[in-house]
Amino acid sequence: DADVTQTPRNRITKTGKRIMLECSQTKGHDRMYWYRQDPGLGLRLIYYSFDVKDINKGEISDGYSVSRQAQAKFSLSLESAIPNQTALYFCATSDPSSGSTDTQYFGPGTRLTVL
Amino acid sequence: AQSVTQPDIHITVSEGASLELRCNYSYGATPYLFWYVQSPGQGLQLLLKYFSGDTLVQGIKGFEAEFKRSQSSFNLRKPSVHWSDAAEYFCAVGTASFGNEKLTFGTGTRLTIIP
Repeated sequence: DADVTQTPRNRITKTGKRIMLECSQTKGHDRMYWYRQDPGLGLRLIYYSFDVKDINKGEISDGYSVSRQAQAKFSLSLESAIPNQTALYFCATSDPSSGSTDTQYFGPGTRLTVL
Repeated sequence: AQSVTQPDIHITVSEGASLELRCNYSYGATPYLFWYVQSPGQGLQLLLKYFSGDTLVQGIKGFEAEFKRSQSSFNLRKPSVHWSDAAEYFCAVGTASFGNEKLTFGTGTRLTIIP
């Protein structure tokens, strides 16, 4: 079973709709992240969370919100989707306290299309 | 703020030939450096990372990278590519003081392998 899962894997929605992307992990990591990937732009950080009570904005947080429901769950919401939010969204986790592996582990991604 | 430049958007290499993907970074302190690979339809997988010590690091799938502080570079190499290496490759830099909680990614290099 995958350590970092994302649901849904694909989603098509309309402008103005509210949508939630979910991320779950079984790695036991405290830190979780949301990125979006656009062709030619690489990955850009939307939000990150160091633990359940700590949430921080990334470089492109406008139009997005997040919720850290538990150590294992981190959801990304688009309150009113717009077409330029069409992208591939990735969730990631990390656990710097592990010492030997200060590495981010990525989920398989959610492809979101906003019409 | 840190930044990463991958000057080659797309590289085509013959199967069995050697490969070098370029990565230049900008960061005021000692960087944490990573190479990730994204196969079509997949999430990102860590190939290798540099934190400190030996500037030549070995990774999975026969890849290696060399950290050159004087050139602010962390180029990825493989002596003989396989068709399965066709993918997109991302270089990333993380802040050294708090680990990699704010990775900055390059825009990626797409690798095509021809027979």
